[in-house]
Amino acid sequence: QSALTQPASVSGSPGQSITISCTGTSSDIGSSDLVSWYQQNPGKAPKVMIYEGSKRPSGVSDRFSGSKSGNTASLTISGLQAEDEADYYCCSFASSTTFVAFGGGTKLTVL
Amino acid sequence: EEQLVESGGKLVQPGGSLRLSCAASGFTFSSYSMNWVRQAPGKGLEWVSYISSSSGTIKYADSVKGRFTISRDNAKNSVHLQMNSLRAEDTAVYYCARDGGYSSGWVNWFDPWGQGTLVTVSS
Repeated sequence: QSALTQPASVSGSPGQSITISCTGTSSDIGSSDLVSWYQQNPGKAPKVMIYEGSKRPSGVSDRFSGSKSGNTASLTISGLQAEDEADYYCCSFASSTTFVAFGGGTKLTVL
Repeated sequence: EEQLVESGGKLVQPGGSLRLSCAASGFTFSSYSMNWVRQAPGKGLEWVSYISSSSGTIKYADSVKGRFTISRDNAKNSVHLQMNSLRAEDTAVYYCARDGGYSSGWVNWFDPWGQGTLVTVSS
């Protein structure tokens, strides 16, 4: 059982926006600015899409954005494209014995 | 180009041992903390272990504590994971991942990642 809770799946049509939530506790997301999001395509290594809650690495489309409120972080993808179909994982540094927590992953389907 | 290349994964019997290695290139290895993250077949990501740039801080997930040992060699730009008393539930692709920022005792984010090496524990 993952430490952070994500929906198992989300879907949207091309051009639409979707949001993936990631719920933790006051020991991880609630007390950390170090929330990151990863995109993983089948058979490939994960790729960071958002770090420090809302920052985008160079080369990542500005259609990807991150936010946090309380113990919940969110990843929003606007203007959905077929190439966005992948698995997405949230992650948070945890100031406890857990140290690092991942979400269980969300499969994004572009209809 | 910043690059991580894992090696050492293979089929091993339950109770056996294995040593994974990760070779780094394209960045100042001694300045960054390193991690191992694994992914069981069809499952999500699970953080396994962390080692700070100077090896002064080491952390493990509860699931591997006492069985796995992380180490690094800054002269050889490499990080290792010694895995003992392997169990079927340790079967996974093991990724080496660098901290995306500078840290000492915490994890900022993971970037870059290696391509992964498959460890299969089965009789």
